[in-house]
Amino acid sequence: TQLLEQSPQFLSIQEGENLTVYCNSSSVFSSLQWYRQEPGEGPVLLVTVVTGGEVKKLKRLTFQFGDARKDSSLHITAAQPGDTGLYLCAGGGGGSNYKLTFGKGTLLTVNP
Amino acid sequence: KAGVTQTPRYLIKTRGQQVTLSCSPISGHRSVSWYQQTPGQGLQFLFEYFSETQRNKGNFPGRFSGRQFSNSRSEMNVSTLELGDSALYLCASSFNPGQTIFSYEQYFGPGTRLTVT
Repeated sequence: TQLLEQSPQFLSIQEGENLTVYCNSSSVFSSLQWYRQEPGEGPVLLVTVVTGGEVKKLKRLTFQFGDARKDSSLHITAAQPGDTGLYLCAGGGGGSNYKLTFGKGTLLTVNP
Repeated sequence: KAGVTQTPRYLIKTRGQQVTLSCSPISGHRSVSWYQQTPGQGLQFLFEYFSETQRNKGNFPGRFSGRQFSNSRSEMNVSTLELGDSALYLCASSFNPGQTIFSYEQYFGPGTRLTVT
């Protein structure tokens, strides 16, 4: 069974602070996605990383895929209240075709 | 392009009843996946359909079933509802997971909030 473990589970910070959330697995994935979900809505795709060691930036968000393609991190610089939400990582191609394996998520609250 | 739509958005049912949820994928997407999301368990995979065939199934009892039509629209059915079935049910579409590395990207609908009383 493939598992993706995310940490921390909950994070509450003040506006302007930096933060990093982690996504770890013992399985190798051919691609890894990050999603953000707001209350009452479905997850929205933020980024896909596919190459070991890859770094992608999306404004204040920096995503990194581990060299061995088993882990990933999401770093947010100068967090804003609009960043509040549930951040989910999901791995594809880790031996189970056609479906993604999701982590349980990190619930981020950014206080003004 | 229109996004993934799910109907209804909210549903209240009684234990023992059955329910059918509907999902229309993004135009051109042939794969539809269904997930159950609860605070305790997170997103749990129910099943995936591609070209009207179920290709993958999660660890849910047989009360949970689904189907896909020739236009890629999908429905899922839950029979003999239990209190524990209360959850947000999410549908996601993609072009063809596994065909390319990027084809695992999924696009979610807003979900159907099911409450079983």
